[in-house]
Amino acid sequence: EVQLVESGGTLVQPGGSLRLSCAGSGFSFSNHAMNWVRQAPGKGLEWVSYISVRSSAVYYAESVRGRFTVSRDDAENSLFLQMNSLRDEDTAVYYCARGYSTTHYDTWGQGTLVTVSS
Amino acid sequence: DIQLTQSPSFLSASVGDRVTITCRASHGIDNFLVWYQQKPGRAPKVLIYAASTVQSGVPSRFSGSGFGTEFTLTISSLQPEDFATYYCQQLNSFPRTFGQGTKVEIK
Repeated sequence: EVQLVESGGTLVQPGGSLRLSCAGSGFSFSNHAMNWVRQAPGKGLEWVSYISVRSSAVYYAESVRGRFTVSRDDAENSLFLQMNSLRDEDTAVYYCARGYSTTHYDTWGQGTLVTVSS
Repeated sequence: DIQLTQSPSFLSASVGDRVTITCRASHGIDNFLVWYQQKPGRAPKVLIYAASTVQSGVPSRFSGSGFGTEFTLTISSLQPEDFATYYCQQLNSFPRTFGQGTKVEIK
């Protein structure tokens, strides 16, 4: 079964840092681009970041650029999101999502909740 | 950046109704348009990609159309399990963007 499982979400103070992980299983992780998407409580979906196969290209939403860093470890079938200088508005459920070719995100994790609050 | 505007933002419908949701892009995106369904507390699920290709396992009552800047998602006969929020997303360029969502509720 193709599966993605996020972890690392917790309560963190404004200005703090956090690293999210996403473990993939049941597929050839290295062959897929990966994405992070977030959803603030009661709000819509917001694309956060993209990393290509072999990490040759990365992209970020303007709202997180310079504060968040996406990376991957294909040997460990894992995706990461390093989040620094966290703000209240970063509070959200963070999903990792597998890219299927260039056409859609076909597999999503269950999400991990990040709460930024003092 | 490409903005996606969905309409309506909210709709109330009955089981058996035909439902159409529109997604308009601020710039042309060819057919790089995806539709997702999301239920409360759950991750989004892909319904339609490349504007009109139905994802494997998705019921045939779901269909998509459009090209360029205007796209539609149609549910031919609304079923109880279809009450959810629907989002469009463009994969034509970065940053990827989503529409604001359309919540479909029971009348």
